[in-house]
Amino acid sequence: NAGVTQTPKFRVLKTGQSMTLLCAQDMNHEYMYWYRQDPGMGLRLIHYSVGEGTTAKGEVPDGYNVSRLKKQNFLLGLESAAPSQTSVYFCASSYWMGGGSNNEQFFGPGTRLTVL
Amino acid sequence: SQQGEEDPQALSIQEGENATMNCSYKTSINNLQWYRQNSGRGLVHLILIRSNEREKHSGRLRVTLDTSKKSSSLLITASRAADTASYFCATGRGTTSGTYKYIFGTGTRLKVLA
Repeated sequence: NAGVTQTPKFRVLKTGQSMTLLCAQDMNHEYMYWYRQDPGMGLRLIHYSVGEGTTAKGEVPDGYNVSRLKKQNFLLGLESAAPSQTSVYFCASSYWMGGGSNNEQFFGPGTRLTVL
Repeated sequence: SQQGEEDPQALSIQEGENATMNCSYKTSINNLQWYRQNSGRGLVHLILIRSNEREKHSGRLRVTLDTSKKSSSLLITASRAADTASYFCATGRGTTSGTYKYIFGTGTRLKVLA
């Protein structure tokens, strides 16, 4: 049981390049999330998914696209990277998203992205 | 400003002492969660408290919630060097559009000195 895994762990891009970050979870969770973490800013939600084939915008979606073709995978794409997207990206998943129990989020180890 | 704001931003204590960190938020919530993040790692869920609860315990952790003051506190008793980490609160609430939002605070960096 690996939990939530992310690939790659580190990446350096040049401005304008594209890349895809992969998140995988083996807990059969319906809900998956992509966050970015910047110094002094806490975590900010980029996009999330409430199930296979669904995606929704979070707090800071501009410049990113996502896809959830399979329940266990959630991909985050940067079509044309900008220096402002230099950050640490975290994927998370949860059984439920709402009030009550079972909405604990399980996080991956993060991807450190630098855009030059 | 962000929904969840923790204070202090940084806290340094001796091993064995208690550590208290606070989280304030602005709008009504369904629940509030606390997470820990060790350096260079992902966040790990510690405890969830619902809006109709006032206090919750888990091992050496004690969380209180005061919805009238829109604030929560996390107390770690008898701290250990291994508790050195950043601690984040996350507030969850439904939205008028029918979705649900989590907002994470900016975190408290705790350093426990051996």
